[in-house]
Amino acid sequence: GAVVSQHPSWVICKSGTSVKIECRSLDFQATTMFWYRQFPKQSLMLMATSNEGSKATYEQGVEKDKFLINHASLTLSTLTVTSAHPEDSSFYICSAREGQMNTEAFFGQGTRLTVV
Amino acid sequence: AQSVTQLDSQVPVFEEAPVELRCNYSSSVSVYLFWYVQYPNQGLQLLLKYLSGSTLVKGINGFEAEFNKSQTSFHLRKPSVHISDTAEYFCAVTRNTGGFKTIFGAGTRLFVKA
Repeated sequence: GAVVSQHPSWVICKSGTSVKIECRSLDFQATTMFWYRQFPKQSLMLMATSNEGSKATYEQGVEKDKFLINHASLTLSTLTVTSAHPEDSSFYICSAREGQMNTEAFFGQGTRLTVV
Repeated sequence: AQSVTQLDSQVPVFEEAPVELRCNYSSSVSVYLFWYVQYPNQGLQLLLKYLSGSTLVKGINGFEAEFNKSQTSFHLRKPSVHISDTAEYFCAVTRNTGGFKTIFGAGTRLFVKA
């Protein structure tokens, strides 16, 4: 099946710094990528949808200046958490879909971000 | 807008017993339905999906689910569970129109006891 790789799998950063998380589709071209956030023992909350070559569409309540999403190529999307604070600590998961009509999105293994 | 409701936050069950995890959804447009499993500190693994056709869908690890359009449900079942099935299970819907966003239910923690 299709493989989506996230890097890093975990990261610890100091409050006030920025952290970049990468999401790569290894064996297909990801027309659309999605970024989710998951708090402990909670469900996945969609943060934004990004289409290759265009600006990301953010869900209501998600700060676009804080969570910068770039989808510069068909195999790579990045999420940058800017000026991170402890409340940004969470599990971030990306998913990627191939093409416009394909219905299934494939998920990365997630990134555990801890801000200290 | 679509929404997903998983009726049980936790389901404890003994090993080799049957289990059903319930999922109901609402949507103003047609949707595709999915069940995912998540083990601690890991991403999601697709168990099964309903896109169209037969309403009974079989997935991996012996799981199956039945799509019921009139009741807007997509319950997940397994006739005999194993200890290794202990995990978090998420029901998800993807709307069959622009954007194809996927919305997840709150999750059900399946705990299999020996």
